[in-house]
Amino acid sequence: DAMVIQNPRYQVTQFGKPVTLSCSQTLNHNVMYWYQQKSSQAPKLLFHYYDKDFNNEADTPDNFQSRRPNTSFCFLDIRSPGLGDAAMYLCATSRGNEQFFGPGTRLTVL
Amino acid sequence: DQQVKQNSPSLSVQEGRISILNCDYTNSMFDYFLWYKKYPAEGPTFLISISSIKDKNEDGRFTVFLNKSAKHLSLHIVPSQPGDSAVYFCAASESPGSARQLTFGSGTQLTVLP
Repeated sequence: DAMVIQNPRYQVTQFGKPVTLSCSQTLNHNVMYWYQQKSSQAPKLLFHYYDKDFNNEADTPDNFQSRRPNTSFCFLDIRSPGLGDAAMYLCATSRGNEQFFGPGTRLTVL
Repeated sequence: DQQVKQNSPSLSVQEGRISILNCDYTNSMFDYFLWYKKYPAEGPTFLISISSIKDKNEDGRFTVFLNKSAKHLSLHIVPSQPGDSAVYFCAASESPGSARQLTFGSGTQLTVLP
């Protein structure tokens, strides 16, 4: 089945220790997104790629970076995680109007 | 400033009855609206959508209504089933530059009681 895969599903890191979350897709969609979702809040868009073009949301902290080495993969790098970065991170893809989400990675910062 | 609001964090409904989930928006540039369903430990799953040129879209037990003048949309589920218990997110987008960007509401937890 075509899908969006996120690894790991659960990630624990220490305060200030860099962490990378990964996303892959078999849908061959040209757009990929990263969202941050905190408990009982709306998913918040961090950035997206349209093919290789990177689009950063204005309020996304510099602490968050992303890489998309090819169509299938996209990475979220958190350079120095703080306690406030603990959240669910959702990857999504789209080709048209709808977005297709992965299961998310739950990040815990100790 | 929340552009998409779901004012009811939770809703309980008896099995077989109608569930009505509501969503309000403030940005008049939004032209496409979607509902997503989310189970615990899973990502949101697309459920149904509506374009601003329509006022109703139906798919099986799910119907979305759009009232552009009131900037309000609602999702009706009838009859409700226990498997419908999930968090429902309303989302909206406006004509994109390069890609559709969704603005989400904070979600409504629907519980369907057997």
